[in-house]
Amino acid sequence: DAMVIQNPRYQVTQFGKPVTLSCSQTLNHNVMYWYQQKSSQAPKLLFHYYDKDFNNEADTPDNFQSRRPNTSFCFLDIRSPGLGDAAMYLCATSRVAEGNEQFFGPGTRLTVL
Amino acid sequence: AQSVTQLGSHVSVSEGALVLLRCNYSSSVPPYLFWYVQYPNQGLQLLLKYTSAATLVKGINGFEAEFKKSETSFHLTKPSAHMSDAAEYFCAVYPPGGTSYGKLTFGQGTILTVHP
Repeated sequence: DAMVIQNPRYQVTQFGKPVTLSCSQTLNHNVMYWYQQKSSQAPKLLFHYYDKDFNNEADTPDNFQSRRPNTSFCFLDIRSPGLGDAAMYLCATSRVAEGNEQFFGPGTRLTVL
Repeated sequence: AQSVTQLGSHVSVSEGALVLLRCNYSSSVPPYLFWYVQYPNQGLQLLLKYTSAATLVKGINGFEAEFKKSETSFHLTKPSAHMSDAAEYFCAVYPPGGTSYGKLTFGQGTILTVHP
């Protein structure tokens, strides 16, 4: 089945230790998104790629970076995680067309010690 | 700017009872509307979407939603709740004519609890 895959599902890191979260998709969608979701809140868009074009949200901290080496993969790098970065990180994809929905992966739960 | 309001952060129903989750949007032009469901420690799963075709939209798991332009609403309903429906539900919107790679605006979510 075509899907969005996120690895790992659970990630524990230490305060200030860089961490990378991975997302891959078999849907061949040209747009990939990263969201941060804190407990009992709606997902908050961090950035997205339209093909190779990177689009950063204005309020996304510089501590968060992303890479998209090819259509299938997208990475979220947190350079120096703080306690406030503990959250669920969701990857999503979509195919560019009017009214098309976003498809979400299962998420990575990040814990910062 | 688009906004979405979900009335009621928590809704509790008995098994077999009607489920009604409310969503209102603010837009001068009907947008594209979505309902997503999220189970604990999972990603979001699309339940249904409105894209200016039929105003009554049927989704998965027995859910449906009706788009009412006059009320700027897109409420989610299910005739008979099941224990497995317990989850958090998000209404989301992006504007018509907007690129589908634009920013989805989410409501704050409604946690549905189903009692035996």
